[in-house]
Amino acid sequence: ELKVEQNPLFLSMQEGKNYTIYCNYSTTSDRLYWYRQDPGKSLESLFVLLSNGAVKQEGRLMASLDTKARLSTLHITAAVHDLSATYFCAVGSPNFGNEKLTFGTGTRLTIIP
Amino acid sequence: NAGVTQTPKFRILKIGQSMTLQCTQDMNHNYMYWYRQDPGMGLKLIYYSVGAGITDKGEVPNGYNVSRSTTEDFPLRLELAAPSQTSVYFCASSYSIGISEAFFGQGTRLTVV
Repeated sequence: ELKVEQNPLFLSMQEGKNYTIYCNYSTTSDRLYWYRQDPGKSLESLFVLLSNGAVKQEGRLMASLDTKARLSTLHITAAVHDLSATYFCAVGSPNFGNEKLTFGTGTRLTIIP
Repeated sequence: NAGVTQTPKFRILKIGQSMTLQCTQDMNHNYMYWYRQDPGMGLKLIYYSVGAGITDKGEVPNGYNVSRSTTEDFPLRLELAAPSQTSVYFCASSYSIGISEAFFGQGTRLTVV
């Protein structure tokens, strides 16, 4: 069974601070996706990471992938209130059928003024 | 551009009733998915399809059925609804899960009483 773990599960941080969300997964994969979900809303794609060492940045968010460590990080720089949301990572693995994404439980991020 | 459209948005069912959740995408995507999201949790894959006429089970298929007669449509059928099926259901589609991210519909909030 492919397991995807995120930590922390809950994160409150002050505006202007930096922080990192971690996504660990249990088997070989080179396909990792980050999504954002606002309360009561659908999921919005943030990043697609498809190779070891991949790094992508959009605004104050930067995602990276280390396939050897089976780890992806989502780094938040100088947080602003608009980034408050739940962030999910999702992994596709050839061992479990690349067509099937396995999601982490999410990190609920609250940015405090 | 409509993307992925789900209907209905909300539904209350009585125990033992049946219903079909509709999902349509207009992006000519081959891959389509049904996920459920329980409160405060990540997404669990119910069923998926890699093309018209081809479907397969995900992590939590019991109590559900799907069909894929066209590229555009991927309905999810609930037979004999149970309280355990109270959840938010998301349909998603992708051109190719190895290359691009999945696009999600707005969700159907289902309550079984």
